[in-house]
Amino acid sequence: NAGVMQNPRHLVRRRGQEARLRCSPMKGHSHVYWYRQLPEEGLKFMVYLQKENIIDESGMPKERFSAEFPKEGPSILRIQQVVRGDSAAYFCASSPWDNSNYGYTFGSGTRLTVV
Amino acid sequence: DAKTTQPNSMESNEEEPVHLPCNHSTISGTDYIHWYRQLPSQGPEYVIHGLTSNVNNRMASLAIAEDRKSSTLILHRATLRDAAVYYCILRDSGAGNMLTFGGGTRLMVKP
Repeated sequence: NAGVMQNPRHLVRRRGQEARLRCSPMKGHSHVYWYRQLPEEGLKFMVYLQKENIIDESGMPKERFSAEFPKEGPSILRIQQVVRGDSAAYFCASSPWDNSNYGYTFGSGTRLTVV
Repeated sequence: DAKTTQPNSMESNEEEPVHLPCNHSTISGTDYIHWYRQLPSQGPEYVIHGLTSNVNNRMASLAIAEDRKSSTLILHRATLRDAAVYYCILRDSGAGNMLTFGGGTRLMVKP
């Protein structure tokens, strides 16, 4: 039973390019959450998706960032026209229910470096 | 989510028990207490959670005060692999409530 799979593990982009981060949740999990961790800082919630729907994107920057979780395939976090300040570790988590009596399972993250 | 307070860091000796405290004096009756940990260069890992009663699993024990204003994560026998940042998080039972991470406690384990 594979856990939450994120790829790539490391991604290097030049300023102005696009970054696409992929997350495959655990089998049977239809709730996906994206978090960002800037260097030496804590984890910040970005967006919560349930199959084909964005439930809460209150933590996502209004410009350049978007997320989707299609009916088939992984969830994608897309960052357009990356800047140096986007360099961070991006973690995806999944859960089977939107219920506080369940824990999240996190992936190993994608470390984005913008040069 | 209601706020939690944890010490910034703690030290432990290998193979000794570790008690990681968390204060949550403004906890509401519907808040679950969740603990996660993050090992260096890895994603967070679920440890344990509870509502009112003490909980045990293969990783740790969670002791919840009777008034629920504080809780303690207990690692029964610390190993070097337990060195991590431990996060105590309150999560309301209502729908759509995400995990909100604070600063956590950095646990250092000495051989």
